[in-house]
Amino acid sequence: QKEVEQDPGPLSVPEGAIVSLNCTYSNSAFQYFMWYRQYSRKGPELLMYTYSSGNKEDGRFTAQVDKSSKYISLFIRDSQPSDSATYLCAMSAYNTDKLIFGTGTRLQVFP
Amino acid sequence: DSGVTQTPKHLITATGQRVTLRCSPRSGDLSVYWYQQSLDQGLQFLIQYYNGEERAKGNILERFSAQQFPDLHSELNLSSLELGDSALYFCASSPRTSHNEQFFGPGTRLTVL
Repeated sequence: QKEVEQDPGPLSVPEGAIVSLNCTYSNSAFQYFMWYRQYSRKGPELLMYTYSSGNKEDGRFTAQVDKSSKYISLFIRDSQPSDSATYLCAMSAYNTDKLIFGTGTRLQVFP
Repeated sequence: DSGVTQTPKHLITATGQRVTLRCSPRSGDLSVYWYQQSLDQGLQFLIQYYNGEERAKGNILERFSAQQFPDLHSELNLSSLELGDSALYFCASSPRTSHNEQFFGPGTRLTVL
């Protein structure tokens, strides 16, 4: 079993929809949780960075962490075609800088 | 643009050869990380350097090595290349106060024929 599980998709939604992306994990030592967006053949772009449990909002993006369920989510409001990309969750434990990535969810937003 | 630069963008080489990938971190960042992204394995951590010193190692093959220079740029050396080494190689850097907040470069696409 992988440390971080993420549905690969693809997830296809119409423009303006609310998108929910999720990851589950097994290592209870994970304390830092990140979401990256990766366009085809480009480097991952850091979208959200959170520590421990709770919510964080940045523009159209909201990240949620539920450590009791070992479950994290990224919500995208008013999705745009330009949001079409692969979204990767990543996490790390308190005593390491190494990031463990999910396999990524491919999102397609159609006009 | 994350501020992390990588060269070259693409590399095509043959099995058995050796290549060097180069990375410059964001201004002010002391940590550099190398990751490999392949279709079957996803993004995998290889190695981390902090201010010139190796700090952490992942599943990096013995054929691979890295170093960070006094000007903080880093190089990843891949030798005795095999077909399975074909992948995207990313460099990332992080601020001094938040090592888990990593910013990635555009990557180097390595193709081994």
